[in-house]
Amino acid sequence: KQEVTQIPAALSVPEGENLVLNCSFTDSAIYNLQWFRQDPGKGLTSLLLIQSSQREQTSGRLNASLDKSSGRSTLYIAASQPGDSATYLCAVTENNAGNMLTFGGGTRLMVKP
Amino acid sequence: NAGVTQTPKFQVLKTGQSMTLQCAQDMNHEYMSWYRQDPGMGLRLIHYSVGAGITDQGEVPNGYNVSRSTTEDFPLRLLSAAPSQTSVYFCASSLGFLTGELFFGEGSRLTVL
Repeated sequence: KQEVTQIPAALSVPEGENLVLNCSFTDSAIYNLQWFRQDPGKGLTSLLLIQSSQREQTSGRLNASLDKSSGRSTLYIAASQPGDSATYLCAVTENNAGNMLTFGGGTRLMVKP
Repeated sequence: NAGVTQTPKFQVLKTGQSMTLQCAQDMNHEYMSWYRQDPGMGLRLIHYSVGAGITDQGEVPNGYNVSRSTTEDFPLRLLSAAPSQTSVYFCASSLGFLTGELFFGEGSRLTVL
């Protein structure tokens, strides 16, 4: 059974710092990997989607990389801002699981002014 | 474009009562799904649908029913509510099976007493 782990569970950084969030998964037979943002009391917003054949995706200050063979993905946030404070979740889609996303537990990020 | 709309946002039930959580999307997405989010358990798939008239079970389907009579709507029915079903429920949709990013509703917070 696929397991997705995110480390650290919580992170507090000063504004302006560059930071990396980690995601690891146990079964490399994935179709894609997505990074989501969740604000308190809200739904999830998709940030980046990386297909299994891709190595990375970029959107503004966000860059996500994927190393399928080692079962790892990272989300890099450049020049962090207080508005980046949220919980970040990664999720993998497997080829044979009815588009079932397996989610990690999330990293709760606090960016201090 | 409203995206994915869930109602109600909050609901309190007594054990044994039944209710329906509504989900509608206006993006002409074929794929729709229901997740529940619990502290320490992350997001888990309850049921999903790859098109009108087609539904299937996810990871935690017991105690829930779904139907998909139209492309737009995917209601989730709790047959006889139990305290273990206290959770935040999210509906999500995507363009197709195994394609594209997943769009989430804002969530429905259910408490079963």
